[in-house]
Amino acid sequence: AQSVTQPDIHITVSEGASLELRCNYSYGATPYLFWYVQSPGQGLQLLLKYFSGDTLVQGIKGFEAEFKRSQSSFNLRKPSVHWSDAAEYFCAVGPLAGKSTFGDGTTLTVKP
Amino acid sequence: EPEVTQTPSHQVTQMGQEVILRCVPISNHLYFYWYRQILGQKVEFLVSFYNNEISEKSEIFDDQFSVERPDGSNFTLKIRSTKLEDSAMYFCASSEPGGAYEQYFGPGTRLTVT
Repeated sequence: AQSVTQPDIHITVSEGASLELRCNYSYGATPYLFWYVQSPGQGLQLLLKYFSGDTLVQGIKGFEAEFKRSQSSFNLRKPSVHWSDAAEYFCAVGPLAGKSTFGDGTTLTVKP
Repeated sequence: EPEVTQTPSHQVTQMGQEVILRCVPISNHLYFYWYRQILGQKVEFLVSFYNNEISEKSEIFDDQFSVERPDGSNFTLKIRSTKLEDSAMYFCASSEPGGAYEQYFGPGTRLTVT
């Protein structure tokens, strides 16, 4: 079975500070990993994805994520957070047999 | 850039009524999915659909739910007799032939059951 754990329910950072959102996964084979962002009342926007190859992937809006197989992790990072980054962030693994499994999400608050 | 579209954006219905949520996947995609997100909770898989049949469904997807691809462009989710707990955001997604890559999500339909 596949599963995703996002250990941090809520994170607060100051504008301009760096950010790291944690994601751990459980998957039987080489995983397909994704990070999505969701603003209130909005849909899911794909930030970045990992399928294979280089373990450091670049995404939109200045985000990057690093796949670490030994730690079963796919943490999302941004060197300098902007107020507009405040949103809900979801890590997902899959699809396996057609299904993506999402984590519970991390709510990011950005302090001025 | 091609995108998945969903209609309506918001649907309000009374308990016990039938609703149909509509999606237009990206045109060359062959795998289709429905997910739901209850307010404040995570996104949950409902069903995947390929080659005109369900390829996988979750325990949430009981007999009250059905999916259909009535023509070459639409993909629908029907809830036969809505319950209060069906209130959620419903997302449609599609993926390319091969099915093993990223899913493109629509903007969602917010279903409110009163």
